[in-house]
Amino acid sequence: EADIYQTPRYLVIGTGKKITLECSQTMGHDKMYWYQQDPGMELHLIHYSYGVNSTEKGDLSSESTVSRIRTEHFPLTLESARPSHTSQYLCASSEIGAGNYGYTFGSGTRLTVV
Amino acid sequence: AQSVTQLGSHVSVSEGALVLLRCNYSSSVPPYLFWYVQYPNQGLQLLLKYTSAATLVKGINGFEAEFKKSETSFHLTKPSAHMSDAAEYFCALANTGNQFYFGTGTSLTVIP
Repeated sequence: EADIYQTPRYLVIGTGKKITLECSQTMGHDKMYWYQQDPGMELHLIHYSYGVNSTEKGDLSSESTVSRIRTEHFPLTLESARPSHTSQYLCASSEIGAGNYGYTFGSGTRLTVV
Repeated sequence: AQSVTQLGSHVSVSEGALVLLRCNYSSSVPPYLFWYVQYPNQGLQLLLKYTSAATLVKGINGFEAEFKKSETSFHLTKPSAHMSDAAEYFCALANTGNQFYFGTGTSLTVIP
């Protein structure tokens, strides 16, 4: 079944650790996105990609980085986690005509940095 | 400039009552409009979308929304609320460049 997967679902990690949040989709979508969402709050776009080797920063400044080496894979990395990075991170993908089809979201990764 | 405004960050309804979640948009070009639902600790799930076909759009779980150009609105309704409808709801707009703009969300509480 075509879908978008995020791992881990929950992560509690100490300050200063390096972490990678995984996102994979099986729909062959060219466009992928990372959103940051604080509890009960709006979504903020932090990174997006329109295809392999294409990555851009979003509207919200983030210390995280992303890569897009394969169409289906769009991992997000924090080199040194801090408590301010505690949040929910949502990955999404879309076809080229996102306006027609909308985004497909993963289940999210809830990150807590202690 | 494109933007989405959701009126009311929290809405409470009794079980069986009408659900009305408000969304107004601003767009210089004909928009694509969407409603998403987010259950606790989950991602967003598409409820319905307007893509310039019928102005009354039916979605999943008994929800529907009506596109009103004159009012620049795309309000979400459901005739009878269920306890399972309690969630966060997001209105979103996409332009021809395919960039999405999300509203700030409305938290729906259903009172037994």
